[in-house]
Amino acid sequence: QKEVEQNSGPLSVPEGAIASLNCTYSDRGSQSFFWYRQYSGKSPELIMFIYSNGDKEDGRFTAQLNKASQYVSLLIRDSQPSDSATYLCAGEVNEKLTFGTGTRLTIIP
Amino acid sequence: DAGVIQSPRHEVTEMGQEVTLRCKPISGHNSLFWYRQTMMRGLELLIYFNNNVPIDDSGMPEDRFSAKMPNASFSTLKIQPSEPRDSAVYFCASSAPRPLGHIQYFGAGTRLSVL
Repeated sequence: QKEVEQNSGPLSVPEGAIASLNCTYSDRGSQSFFWYRQYSGKSPELIMFIYSNGDKEDGRFTAQLNKASQYVSLLIRDSQPSDSATYLCAGEVNEKLTFGTGTRLTIIP
Repeated sequence: DAGVIQSPRHEVTEMGQEVTLRCKPISGHNSLFWYRQTMMRGLELLIYFNNNVPIDDSGMPEDRFSAKMPNASFSTLKIQPSEPRDSAVYFCASSAPRPLGHIQYFGAGTRLSVL
């Protein structure tokens, strides 16, 4: 079992709708969690990070963390075609990031 | 800020040859990470350095792989001899000292093809 699990998708969402991306982790020592976006052929770029239980909002993006359930999610509101990418979830333990295999998201115009 | 700089961007080599990948971290960052990304295994941490010292190399697949960081602005990842299964995209990332740190910024990557 991988330490960080994501649904590989692909996930298709109509433009303007809410995209919901989910991630579970097994290491309870994980301190922080990160969502990276990766366009095809490009490098990962940070979207959001979260380290406290609850919600964290930044523009159209909301990260949610539930440490009791070992669950992290990313919501993208008002989805745009430019949001089409692979989204990587990562958990941090002592500066080391463990990445999930990513969820491929496609926004349908 | 130029960001994390990796070279070369693409490398095509023949099996058995030595390959050297290079990375220049963001100025002022004191942690540097080498990752490998493949379709099958995703993004995997190979090794990371803190203040030029290797901290964890448990992800290095075998003795054919080695990494060095001779100073704060330069690191290399070497594969000798290379094999076709080493074909992947190799990313370098860096992060700032805590408490500002723990966000990793990635370079553009080196796409390696071993024939």
